[in-house]
Amino acid sequence: QSALTQPASVSGSPGQSITISCTGTSSDVGGNNHVSWYQQLPGKAPKLMIYDVSNRPSGVSSRFSGSKSGNTASLTISGLQTEDEADYYCSSYRSSTTVVFGGGTKLAVL
Amino acid sequence: QVQLQESGPGLVKPSETLSLTCTVSGGSISSYYWSWIRQPPGKGLEWIGYIYYTGSTHYNPSLKSRVTISVDTSKNQFSLRLSSVTAADTAVYYCARDLGLDTYHAMGVWGQGTTVTVSS
Repeated sequence: QSALTQPASVSGSPGQSITISCTGTSSDVGGNNHVSWYQQLPGKAPKLMIYDVSNRPSGVSSRFSGSKSGNTASLTISGLQTEDEADYYCSSYRSSTTVVFGGGTKLAVL
Repeated sequence: QVQLQESGPGLVKPSETLSLTCTVSGGSISSYYWSWIRQPPGKGLEWIGYIYYTGSTHYNPSLKSRVTISVDTSKNQFSLRLSSVTAADTAVYYCARDLGLDTYHAMGVWGQGTTVTVSS
């Protein structure tokens, strides 16, 4: 199944804000509110940062926020910190049965 | 605090069947959805499938013909079998649990992952 579309890389300076996009179709991102975002540090398992478009699990910093418009979801990180440097993946429930991930975005904090 | 641990052979021969088990500790497997996800070296995440504790499953359409996920509630484990493997199945395999009972496969608890290499 085809993956959701994310930019390969984004970058920002400490203190700045960045946004990562995740584009799908009406069968996934645009068709429900079950979009999630994961952070993956090198050599580690992914960590859930956002679920159901804009909800943060307990313990996740309020600097991370999510939104959606049409078939595109977005993850915004404000007040960028060096420890935010990681790979970020979106995922969506698709066609009410399956799950699909985005290709991943590498965030560089310069 | 629920924890997940993957186990199984780290090396599988081409054309054989990959078998992994995820052991759940600190909580019961008898609720929630439980998933398998993999990540080839240097590449992104790929969802393999999920199972509900009742045994109901859904699989990635691109892998469906080769995948079986099962659950053993008596052992608090769920398992993955992937048949007819090739080098393209070489990856880190993760097991995961949904964050909540109604969070539609937002995977909030992950195992540490286990590396499986397909090679003769």
